[in-house]
Amino acid sequence: NAGVTQTPKFQVLKTGQSMTLQCAQDMNHEYMSWYRQDPGMGLRLIHYSVGAGITDQGEVPNGYNVSRSTTEDFPLRLLSAAPSQTSVYFCASSDRAGAEAFFGQGTRLTVV
Amino acid sequence: AQTVTQSQPEMSVQEAETVTLSCTYDTSESDYYLFWYKQPPSRQMILVIRQEAYKQQNATENRFSVNFQKAAKSFSLKISDSQLGDAAMYFCAYRSAFLLRGGADGLTFGKGTHLIIQP
Repeated sequence: NAGVTQTPKFQVLKTGQSMTLQCAQDMNHEYMSWYRQDPGMGLRLIHYSVGAGITDQGEVPNGYNVSRSTTEDFPLRLLSAAPSQTSVYFCASSDRAGAEAFFGQGTRLTVV
Repeated sequence: AQTVTQSQPEMSVQEAETVTLSCTYDTSESDYYLFWYKQPPSRQMILVIRQEAYKQQNATENRFSVNFQKAAKSFSLKISDSQLGDAAMYFCAYRSAFLLRGGADGLTFGKGTHLIIQP
């Protein structure tokens, strides 16, 4: 049972480059979300989705895009990476509102 | 918007003793969920305990229990018989139940408490 899988685990980007962080879950969960974790800041919500075709912004959405074409996948796109986007990124899923969120292993992204 | 505050950046406890981590939150909602997550050095986020706001009874999971005071908007975590494996960052988190009525989803986290276990 894989749960929530994030790829890659580590990534270094140059300023201005674009990339997609992948997130896939095999639990048939409707709810998925992306967070970033910065030192001393806890986790902050970037975007979330309550089902295929439905996404919305969280607390810190600027510089990130998402789409949800299938229940399983919820990729996060950085259109033009900036050093301020250096962070650890977590994807999470849950089967209903209020339920426990299951997290992926995280992606450590460094923008130089 | 909701906020979650963890006022203890770091706590230290002797192995086998009891420690309590504090969490307060601010919300105008009456229906919500509260969580404690543990993040060891592996950085994996692991659910410790979950509390439903409409339930008066405090949640317990083996050595972990909470003191949920809804009126005071307080949600502390008590770890009994502390073990070396409990050493980690602990995050308190809030999740609205309003999604069921068309509201926003996602967890709001506190900044975390770093728990050190002294052998």
